[in-house]
Formats: sequence, C-alpha cells, structure tokens
Amino acid sequence: AQSVTQLGSHVSVSEGALVLLRCNYSSSVPPYLFWYVQYPNQGLQLLLKYTSAATLVKGINGFEAEFKKSETSFHLTKPSAHMSDAAEYFCAVIKTGANNLFFGTGTRLTVIP
Amino acid sequence: DAGVIQSPRHEVTEMGQEVTLRCKPISGHNSLFWYRQTMMRGLELLIYFNNNVPIDDSGMPEDRFSAKMPNASFSTLKIQPSEPRDSAVYFCASTQGLAATDTQYFGPGTRLTVL
Repeated sequence: AQSVTQLGSHVSVSEGALVLLRCNYSSSVPPYLFWYVQYPNQGLQLLLKYTSAATLVKGINGFEAEFKKSETSFHLTKPSAHMSDAAEYFCAVIKTGANNLFFGTGTRLTVIP
Repeated sequence: DAGVIQSPRHEVTEMGQEVTLRCKPISGHNSLFWYRQTMMRGLELLIYFNNNVPIDDSGMPEDRFSAKMPNASFSTLKIQPSEPRDSAVYFCASTQGLAATDTQYFGPGTRLTVL
C-alpha cells in the first residue's frame, strides 16, 4: 500500500527564513509524488510533482522538492519565506493500481513578520 | 479559462434533508474526482469518473451518498438524508485524462453544514 506521512502539523518560520516541510512516503514501487497548497477558503493548487524524471523538482512560487529514494522522502523547501506563503500544504501520492491521490494530513505554515 | 466550478459555495441544511452539490469540470477534461475534507479524516477521495463513467466509488461512505455524471460538463454529489457528520468541505477536481501524472485541478469547494 502507498501512503505519505507529513511530519509536523504546524510549522512557523520568520519571513525570509528557509521553509522546510517534511513528507515521507511508503511504497513498494517507485511512486508519483505531489505537493499541493491550499490557501484559506480555496481549493488545492498543485505546487510540483515527481514523476520519475529528475529527482529535484522545481515548482511554482519558488518551491522545490527532492525525491530521495534512500530516505523515502520528498521534502518541500523554499529558500526564503514570504508572508504570502502562509497556507496549508499537502503531500500526496498516487495509489497503486488507481489514479486517485492519497493525501497526507497537511502542514499549516505560518510566516512571522 | 474558467477553472473547476462548484456550487453552491456554502450550504447549510438540517438533518434529514437532501443535499445536492454540483460541479462543472474544466472543458476538455475527461476525468472528475469528488473529495471530502474534514478535520478528523483530512482529504479523502469519494468517487471518480472517467468519460462520465464511475471508475472507483469505494470511498463513498454509505448508501446515503450518490454521485452522477450525466455528461462531460456536469456532475452531482447527492446526500440523502443528510446527517451532521456529513458536515465537511467537498471538493471536485478534474484532469485531462487518467494518467497518474495528470495534474488534478481543484474547484473552490462547497462547505456543507448539517445542523
């Protein structure tokens, strides 16, 4: 079975500081992995996805994530946080044999001025 | 281009009433997904369609829930009768195809409150 675990339901960073949101996956086969962002009262928006190509994936808004098979991780990073990055972030994996996303529990990012 | 459109954005109803949520996918997209988001269970898939045909409805919680896609541009999720535990935000998403790598585009959601 495939699943993702997001470590830390809440993360706070200062404006300009590094953002690191953690996601670990469990999968018996190489997975497809995704990061989505949800701003208050809005739907989810794709930030980036890993589809077995380059292990370092660059997304929108300056975010990137690195697929590390040895660590079964797909952590999301951004060098310098902006106030507008405050949102909830979801890591997701495609379930084996299906096409639907299986989401982690989410990490709420707060950016402190 | 218009994104995924959901209506209503907010719905407040009383226990026992029928609730119908509506979704219009992005034009040209062939697959449509219904998700539910709650504090307790997070985001979970309810059902998805490909070319208007239900492919996987294993996430539908019980017989009170039903979903239809009569054509490529419209889908409904119905709850009858509704219960307070159905209170959640319901999202609709669409993709161009069913490849695992296809990006899912989400609508803004319908916030349902059942009193």
